Amino acid sequence: GQQLNQSPQSMFIQEGEDVSMNCTSSSIFNTWLWYKQEPGEGPVLLIALYKAGELTSNGRLTAQFGITRKDSFLNISASIPSDVGIYFCAGQLPQGGSEKLVFGKGTKLTVNP
Amino acid sequence: NAGVTQTPKFRILKIGQSMTLQCTQDMNHNYMYWYRQDPGMGLKLIYYSVGAGITDKGEVPNGYNVSRSTTEDFPLRLELAAPSQTSVYFCASSYSGTTSYEQYFGPGTRLTVT
Repeated sequence: GQQLNQSPQSMFIQEGEDVSMNCTSSSIFNTWLWYKQEPGEGPVLLIALYKAGELTSNGRLTAQFGITRKDSFLNISASIPSDVGIYFCAGQLPQGGSEKLVFGKGTKLTVNP
Repeated sequence: NAGVTQTPKFRILKIGQSMTLQCTQDMNHNYMYWYRQDPGMGLKLIYYSVGAGITDKGEVPNGYNVSRSTTEDFPLRLELAAPSQTSVYFCASSYSGTTSYEQYFGPGTRLTVT
């Protein structure tokens, strides 16, 4: 199946630091989504991106849809302890509908107070 | 709105037993999905449905069955549980149309097969 390479796998940062993570693929995607999953919970949608080059913010979170349509980036500014969790990217392939979302393996974020 | 609800939250099965994982959404979404999540892995699609009475296989359907008799409910059936089905199962739903990729997830069912 299609692969999304998400990096880094894990991050350990101090409260107040900025965070960057990304998702890359050899395939083109029509849509990119970013989810956050906290322990024992289901993923929660953070940001959805629909056009190449699109830059979208949600509070301290900013995500970008790469120009090549093969990658996406998520930045978190001024991290706080409640940012802890696993962040997943998901891409929608051109040849499918919503059932064709491909998920990355996640970036586990730890924030030290 | 409660969103997407799943029951049970935890379950332990013996090999060969069967069970049904329940999923209900109250957002009037047409599309519903079942995923499994294994440690350190991304979500894998098991089955999905684009409306009542319509279901289709995802990436990893073997060992599972689904039905969709109403818009709200999308149960997942395991007929002969195997250790390889130990996983966390998530149900999700979305609108149809241009935002159908924005899927909303339930809290998950953690299943152990021993």
